[in-house]
Amino acid sequence: GQQVMQIPQYQHVQEGEDFTTYCNSSTTLSNIQWYKQRPGGHPVFLIQLVKSGEVKKQKRLTFQFGEAKKNSSLHITATQTTDVGTYFCAGRSGTYKYIFGTGTRLKVLA
Amino acid sequence: DTEVTQTPKHLVMGMTNKKSLKCEQHMGHRAMYWYKQKAKKPPELMFVYSYEKLSINESVPSRFSPECPNSSLLNLHLHALQPEDSALYLCASRRGQARDTEAFFGQGTRLTVV
Repeated sequence: GQQVMQIPQYQHVQEGEDFTTYCNSSTTLSNIQWYKQRPGGHPVFLIQLVKSGEVKKQKRLTFQFGEAKKNSSLHITATQTTDVGTYFCAGRSGTYKYIFGTGTRLKVLA
Repeated sequence: DTEVTQTPKHLVMGMTNKKSLKCEQHMGHRAMYWYKQKAKKPPELMFVYSYEKLSINESVPSRFSPECPNSSLLNLHLHALQPEDSALYLCASRRGQARDTEAFFGQGTRLTVV
């Protein structure tokens, strides 16, 4: 079955440092969504990428979808303590089925 | 109203108990989901309802029984659970007319089976 892996599994950064998480699918994706889950919270939608090679920015966050539509990345510039949480990618497989990636847990040290 | 409301927030149940989890949304979304999330793991899809019909069952054991009584409500009936079923159960919804839309998650029910 389809697998979506993320690396790294964990990342500790000093506040102000940059952070990147990578998402890799075993199959071509129709689209990819990114979610953030704060400790003790629920996943919250961040963004969706649909087109091959697409790049989207949200303030300090930059999202990329690979040319082959099998990988994606999320880059955070100058992390803040509010960025703490687990970042999941989710790729669509079938009409309504989204497979979540394994997640990257980010800790930001003040 | 962009909320998905789940009740209860916490539930402790014995292995012989029968309980139900409830999920409600009033955004007019026609696709509703149940996910199970263990600690430090991603959400794992259990069921998808599309227009009140069960469209996906990810080979979930029959001790979990979903129900979608109307377009706003989703229930998950629990019976004879095992301790390994202890987890955070998340409900989510998205617009049924468009597949490529964001999912709105509820706060979850933290279930402990004793």
